[in-house]
Amino acid sequence: QITLKESGPTLVKPTQTLTLTCTFSGFSLSTSGVGVGWIRQPPGKALEWLALIYWDDDKRYSPSLKSRLTITKDTSKNQVVLTMTNMDPVDTATYYCAHILVVGMIRAFDIWGQGTMVTVSS
Amino acid sequence: EIVMTQSPATLSVSPGERATLSCRASQSVSSNLAWYQQKPGQAPRLLIYGASTRATGIPARFSGSGSGTEFTLTISSLQSEDFAVYYCQQYNNWPPGITFGQGTRLEIK
Repeated sequence: QITLKESGPTLVKPTQTLTLTCTFSGFSLSTSGVGVGWIRQPPGKALEWLALIYWDDDKRYSPSLKSRLTITKDTSKNQVVLTMTNMDPVDTATYYCAHILVVGMIRAFDIWGQGTMVTVSS
Repeated sequence: EIVMTQSPATLSVSPGERATLSCRASQSVSSNLAWYQQKPGQAPRLLIYGASTRATGIPARFSGSGSGTEFTLTISSLQSEDFAVYYCQQYNNWPPGITFGQGTRLEIK
């Protein structure tokens, strides 16, 4: 059974750097074809994809946020870490990590964590 | 960046009736299209991937169709638990990345 759980601060100040950790079980990020992504959702708004990382350390970022994001993996700990620099109140959102279903060229997020709410305020 | 446009923004349907939700891509995404259901306070749940393949455990009343730029999610006979917000999502190699639509809220009529 695949599970994922996000952890990190609930409150950050503007200009600070946010670091979120996704701890997962039921799969290994050293296995070919496996990936984990991050998605966020501001209160009452739509989902927004942020970044993803694959078993081979291939990384992809949202073009609009690429300069602020870094995604890494620690295979031994079964963790994926997302950092976002220069946080702003508009970055207030629930942040989700999710397992990526890979079928040929198809990518979909088939298992999601519960999400963690991050508020940006001074 | 590929833009995904969902319509309508809100759909009012009676239980037992059919619901049809649309998603349009600003350029072709082939069949790289997924649909999600989200209920208040919950994480999204994958319903459909590859435009038409139901994810594990998804009831047969949910079906997806389309390719290229036009996609449809159909719920054949609405149950009370189906009233939620639905999102489409595309994946593409170029331009690279993933984008979601703005969502369709399915409400009880």
